[in-house]
Amino acid sequence: GNSVTQMEGPVTLSEEAFLTINCTYTATGYPSLFWYVQYPGEGLQLLLKATKADDKGSNKGFEATYRKETTSFHLEKGSVQVSDSAVYFCALSPNTDKLIFGTGTRLQVFP
Amino acid sequence: KAGVTQTPRYLIKTRGQQVTLSCSPISGHRSVSWYQQTPGQGLQFLFEYFSETQRNKGNFPGRFSGRQFSNSRSEMNVSTLELGDSALYLCASRTGGVNEKLFFGSGTQLSVL
Repeated sequence: GNSVTQMEGPVTLSEEAFLTINCTYTATGYPSLFWYVQYPGEGLQLLLKATKADDKGSNKGFEATYRKETTSFHLEKGSVQVSDSAVYFCALSPNTDKLIFGTGTRLQVFP
Repeated sequence: KAGVTQTPRYLIKTRGQQVTLSCSPISGHRSVSWYQQTPGQGLQFLFEYFSETQRNKGNFPGRFSGRQFSNSRSEMNVSTLELGDSALYLCASRTGGVNEKLFFGSGTQLSVL
């Protein structure tokens, strides 16, 4: 079946540190991959996506590369800010109309 | 352009009652999806409606149902509430194509006592 596994949180970093949040997936076929972010008290917002192998999604300094050989889609940012504190969800869409989410990783950035 | 609007924002019910949640999608969006978010299970897909028809359904019991109106607004109903139904219920809309960006509302926080 289809599933997404994310690293457990919380991830705690100082401002300007390098961020990596690991995400691996299991899927049949060739799914699209996404990172969503949820700020406190809000719904989810799409952060970035990649629709095929070796695609790199990027937005607001965040990047993730679709790695078919390792079935991974790790989220990275070179220098985090306090305002990046949120919960990050990795998700896949197996070319149907639903998203399958990971459990989410809470990021806490301190000044 | 207004975003996805969910009402009410908070709801408290007791076991055995039923509840109806409402979602107004972004203007022009014909697809509405519902997700349940709990600390233990994370985000789980409930169902999706497109042009008043259920297009996809997750693995939830029949107590969970939904519908979509001709103006694309959607309602979700949960009957015979259980304690485990306490969750944040999120609605998302998009214009309709597969893999299109989903726009999420802020959710309805349901507490079942």
